[in-house]
Amino acid sequence: DSGVTQTPKHLITATGQRVTLRCSPRSGDLSVYWYQQSLDQGLQFLIQYYNGEERAKGNILERFSAQQFPDLHSELNLSSLELGDSALYFCASSAGTGGSQPQHFGDGTRLSIL
Amino acid sequence: AQSVTQLGSHVSVSEGALVLLRCNYSSSVPPYLFWYVQYPNQGLQLLLKYTSAATLVKGINGFEAEFKKSETSFHLTKPSAHMSDAAEYFCAVSVRINAGGTSYGKLTFGQGTILTVHP
Repeated sequence: DSGVTQTPKHLITATGQRVTLRCSPRSGDLSVYWYQQSLDQGLQFLIQYYNGEERAKGNILERFSAQQFPDLHSELNLSSLELGDSALYFCASSAGTGGSQPQHFGDGTRLSIL
Repeated sequence: AQSVTQLGSHVSVSEGALVLLRCNYSSSVPPYLFWYVQYPNQGLQLLLKYTSAATLVKGINGFEAEFKKSETSFHLTKPSAHMSDAAEYFCAVSVRINAGGTSYGKLTFGQGTILTVHP
């Protein structure tokens, strides 16, 4: 058990819809990261928050947004969903802003777009 | 920019045989290197990390990896494979990025290697 909690485990929705994925980091960790994992793209970094503020952006689409709340949990919002958004979405957390500190991953949310 | 290449998307070994998963990295600054394992329907679990201390790093479940700067490699090994080692393994490189008065660690993953263990 990594200590990172993601909900829900599975989401099935239709094209054009909007969903929210939730992540609670390990106790004491201030950074939260979001990743997308798909068969064709592999593991892609989306965005990082540190203590409530956006710290780094990766390959995140404009239709996607995230935030980190004062209690340090984070939400990833995906809107105007397309078939290609079907993937596993992982949240990870680390104590600091990254670098030498390893990231600890949740079990992911599997998003299926019909 | 940094990158990671894992040689071999699939590796198959017999139970009890040596496991060798290859990873080469590219980085313009001293990197931090990690190996993660992913079991079906689970997240990534940290196996081991190199953070510029000893070049031979020991991890969980009997795995170890050696950092070779001259070869820009960080191959993962285990002397004797077990059926429970069957999973996908990811090598990752992390570097510190300084931007706009702040800094962060950028973690880049390889494409993964699926390890199959035969009885």
